[in-house]
Amino acid sequence: AQTVTQSQPEMSVQEAETVTLSCTYDTSESDYYLFWYKQPPSRQMILVIRQEAYKQQNATENRFSVNFQKAAKSFSLKISDSQLGDAAMYFCAYRGNSGNTPLVFGKGTRLSVIA
Amino acid sequence: DGGITQSPKYLFRKEGQNVTLSCEQNLNHDAMYWYRQDPGQGLRLIYYSQIVNDFQKGDIAEGYSVSREKKESFPLTVTSAQKNPTAFYLCASRSAPGINYGYTFGSGTRLTVV
Repeated sequence: AQTVTQSQPEMSVQEAETVTLSCTYDTSESDYYLFWYKQPPSRQMILVIRQEAYKQQNATENRFSVNFQKAAKSFSLKISDSQLGDAAMYFCAYRGNSGNTPLVFGKGTRLSVIA
Repeated sequence: DGGITQSPKYLFRKEGQNVTLSCEQNLNHDAMYWYRQDPGQGLRLIYYSQIVNDFQKGDIAEGYSVSREKKESFPLTVTSAQKNPTAFYLCASRSAPGINYGYTFGSGTRLTVV
């Protein structure tokens, strides 16, 4: 079964600085999707970024970018110019592209932003 | 606007009582999911459904039941067999593969045993 590991339960960053959240996953599939979700105190899940495994180019969405290392099964999230509104739980998630596999989540990283 | 509606937002259950959490979507998505969230545990899959009248158990299905009689609706029943039901429950649906491929989540239901 696929597993997703987020090794940093908590992280903090100074406002306007850059922070990187780590994620590794275990799979035997070659084609899959990876996601980062943000969950603010409202608990609404918000998609931050998505990466298709067949794309070598790292996905970018404004201040958010990923470092996707397929061979190493690593999918880290970089947040640049951190803002107070970035404070939240961040979840890494995996979905295989075969059959009916559901979305599998890591345990999350709580990010604090210090003014 | 299309989206997923979960109700109620807060739910209190007495010991030994069954309760049903509602999840409705108007996104025309085939696949729907129920996740349970506990502190430090991330989101764990309870049940999922790919099409109407079909569903599969997830990692923690014991003590829960679901139905999928309509494409739009995927209610979750927390039975008295679930020994520790206090948690935050999230429903999600998935779009078909394509340029906008992804998951949409409801706003959740907080269930507390009293």
